[in-house]
Amino acid sequence: DAKTTQPTSMDCAEGRAANLPCNHSTISGNEYVYWYRQIHSQGPQYIIHGLKNNETNEMASLIITEDRKSSTLILPHATLRDTAVYYCIVRAQGAQKLVFGQGTRLTINP
Amino acid sequence: DAGVIQSPRHEVTEMGQEVTLRCKPISGHNSLFWYRQTMMRGLELLIYFNNNVPIDDSGMPEDRFSAKMPNASFSTLKIQPSEPRDSAVYFCASTRQSSYEQYFGPGTRLTVT
Repeated sequence: DAKTTQPTSMDCAEGRAANLPCNHSTISGNEYVYWYRQIHSQGPQYIIHGLKNNETNEMASLIITEDRKSSTLILPHATLRDTAVYYCIVRAQGAQKLVFGQGTRLTINP
Repeated sequence: DAGVIQSPRHEVTEMGQEVTLRCKPISGHNSLFWYRQTMMRGLELLIYFNNNVPIDDSGMPEDRFSAKMPNASFSTLKIQPSEPRDSAVYFCASTRQSSYEQYFGPGTRLTVT
């Protein structure tokens, strides 16, 4: 699976959009981009995933660049409960393993 | 719906003792994963099962670790003998094999003194 690079930490004001970047320059054509988050003392939680088109669900939006070498997770109206570590993961279609990096520690400030 | 259930939630034991961690996956899920999380190494996959059969145990650190899944609703991760460096949070996750989303349990915090 391709390696991902994320900033170690980010801050965002409550109510603002949080934009979390991820670089995956070696991504292959059959690899999807997944985002999970881990709130303190809990297990990771799935957020969203995509292949090449932008995706949106009730939790977030995922914007993937046309060359697929990077992506951005957007939390449109961040709340204090969104404070967590966010993991960007690249995984091939049909693969089951998730390889977690160090993620981005997002802090939402009041 | 009940999520993934793990027990115990906290375990403190002495070096050399046997430790057994338990996991009940979500009903209907046929894939089960064991992860370990430490500050130094982050979140790493130890082993996973499909239909109760171990598929990939390449993440199991050494022979002291063993995992079993005797049926679709129960799995154990055993450490014998335990060592202080095994101190970590152990997560179990389950999914349907064709699904994109893994559901994680609350974890077991293991401390080996």
